[in-house]
Amino acid sequence: KQEVTQIPAALSVPEGENLVLNCSFTDSAIYNLQWFRQDPGKGLTSLLLIQSSQREQTSGRLNASLDKSSGRSTLYIAASQPGDSATYLCAVPRNTDKLIFGTGTRLQVFP
Amino acid sequence: DAGITQSPRHKVTETGTPVTLRCHQTENHRYMYWYRQDPGHGLRLIHYSYGVKDTDKGEVSDGYSVSRSKTEDFLLTLESATSSQTSVYFCAISDSAGDGYTFGSGTRLTVV
Repeated sequence: KQEVTQIPAALSVPEGENLVLNCSFTDSAIYNLQWFRQDPGKGLTSLLLIQSSQREQTSGRLNASLDKSSGRSTLYIAASQPGDSATYLCAVPRNTDKLIFGTGTRLQVFP
Repeated sequence: DAGITQSPRHKVTETGTPVTLRCHQTENHRYMYWYRQDPGHGLRLIHYSYGVKDTDKGEVSDGYSVSRSKTEDFLLTLESATSSQTSVYFCAISDSAGDGYTFGSGTRLTVV
């Protein structure tokens, strides 16, 4: 059974810091891994999708890496801003019938 | 998100009444999903569809039914709403497991 864990559960940092959010999964047989952000009271916004054959993906200040053999992914946020404050979720698909979500990291970036 | 819309965005209903939530996509994606999100439980899959008239249950399907008569529409029906179904409901779409998922903005349902 696939289990997805995220560390830390919560993080509070001053603006400008570089951040690393961690995601671990127990079954390395994954199609891909997707990172989302969710603002309070809002839906999920897809940030990055890493295919199983890829090592990393970048979008602006965000960089996500994937190490299937160790069952880990990291989301790197460069030069954090208050607008980055949100909950970050990683998720892996179980075939086509279910996305298995991580436990989430609640990020607060203060000015 | 562009390409997927949920309606209504908010709804308050009384216990025992039927409620239907709608998810509409313009991406022509094969797969559609209904999730609910509750504090302490994260996102849980209710039902999903892998094609027109092809649906299956998720992990929390009791009290819910779905229908998909067209590729673009996936309806979630609460047959007789209960207070435990007060939640935020999200629809998601994907074309295949390798393509990633896109989520709608959610419907906040309150059952009083």
